[in-house]
Amino acid sequence: EAGVTQFPSHSVIEKGQTVTLRCDPISGHDNLYWYRRVMGKEIKFLLHFVKESKQDESGMPNNRFLAERTGGTYSTLKVQPAELEDSGVYFCASSQDLSEQYFGPGTRLTVT
Amino acid sequence: AQSVTQLGSHVSVSEGALVLLRCNYSSSVPPYLFWYVQYPNQGLQLLLKYTTGATLVKGINGFEAEFKKSETSFHLTKPSAHMSDAAEYFCAVSSMNTGFQKLVFGTGTRLLVSP
Repeated sequence: EAGVTQFPSHSVIEKGQTVTLRCDPISGHDNLYWYRRVMGKEIKFLLHFVKESKQDESGMPNNRFLAERTGGTYSTLKVQPAELEDSGVYFCASSQDLSEQYFGPGTRLTVT
Repeated sequence: AQSVTQLGSHVSVSEGALVLLRCNYSSSVPPYLFWYVQYPNQGLQLLLKYTTGATLVKGINGFEAEFKKSETSFHLTKPSAHMSDAAEYFCAVSSMNTGFQKLVFGTGTRLLVSP
């Protein structure tokens, strides 16, 4: 069974540009989560989808971030326009139930 | 609000020595507690979890952790470190306040194992 995959693994963009991160969850997992780790700090929750619906987006930093989950399958996280403080590692996770979230390898975003 | 404190951003041990990574949490309701490990260029992998029941939980690769409510702690231990244990370890908490869906992480502890 394939794990959670994320694309790209690395992205370097200039301030003001747009970047879209993609996450493919484990097949059949209704729950999909986005987290972010800014360098040296804790991994922070961004939002949670149940199928295609946003269940909790309390961690989204501001309206420059837009997350979607098409048809309840893969998800994208768009940052527009990117700022320097958006640099970090963006993790996606998926789960079938409450007890375990399976994480992808992350996308390292660098905004210069 | 929930929070997690991991004491020590880096812990160094010799191969064969005891591993002890500390985690203290804050939660106003009964928590679920987790330890995740991240090897280089990989995603976070669940080592072990406490939900309910037995307070001493055993995980993969010989790790275990004990939930101590009175101390609000969930320290991770392994009797004998192996070189392959070198990685970054994250403690996390969730609770029914967020439907057990939202993980709150500590800042992570990097374990260094020397020969």
